[in-house]
Amino acid sequence: GQNIDQPTEMTATEGAIVQINCTYQTSGFNGLFWYQQHAGEAPTFLSYNVLDGLEEKGRFSSFLSRSKGYSYLLLKELQMKDSASYLCAVRDSNYQLIWGAGTKLIIKP
Amino acid sequence: GAVVSQHPSWVICKSGTSVKIECRSLDFQATTMFWYRQFPKQSLMLMATSNEGSKATYEQGVEKDKFLINHASLTLSTLTVTSAHPEDSSFYICSLGPAGSPGSGTQYFGPGTRLTVL
Repeated sequence: GQNIDQPTEMTATEGAIVQINCTYQTSGFNGLFWYQQHAGEAPTFLSYNVLDGLEEKGRFSSFLSRSKGYSYLLLKELQMKDSASYLCAVRDSNYQLIWGAGTKLIIKP
Repeated sequence: GAVVSQHPSWVICKSGTSVKIECRSLDFQATTMFWYRQFPKQSLMLMATSNEGSKATYEQGVEKDKFLINHASLTLSTLTVTSAHPEDSSFYICSLGPAGSPGSGTQYFGPGTRLTVL
């Protein structure tokens, strides 16, 4: 079956750096997405990786290793507003998005 | 990016009634829209793919007669929850994006509709 694993919850300190990991087993691979979702709101797009390596976008970076079925989202200079759930999603060979359960990130002052 | 709206943003209804949720693409012609459901503390679950001018494609386990989808134009898709029951209470989200293309496939999400069935 298809499966995406990410930690349920993480805690970090304001101003610090946090890395949220995502591992996947899917039938085919056509890209990996990271989304941010605040409580009670729809997800918002953060990043897209289809080739191996690091994609940097401001304070957020996302890394992909297709051979390892692994990605991480790196958040730098954490701010209180970064407290949210972070969803990893993989697009499979049928171009369906397979969603992880999300990682709830708690930022402490 | 594309702007997507949903209406209503929240609705409370009695068990047995039907509820219609609208999803509009404000600046993008979408031949395909997606409907998701999200229960508290759970991941997004794709319910169906809405295709303009043709029948929607439902995911396994989703009752097509209960969740009626109409995609009559390139900017509007509707989801009707018929004979709603308390277990249908959830957060319903629509999205659009070129998921069928080999491009970046960024999906743009509507703000969601919170349905509570009493």
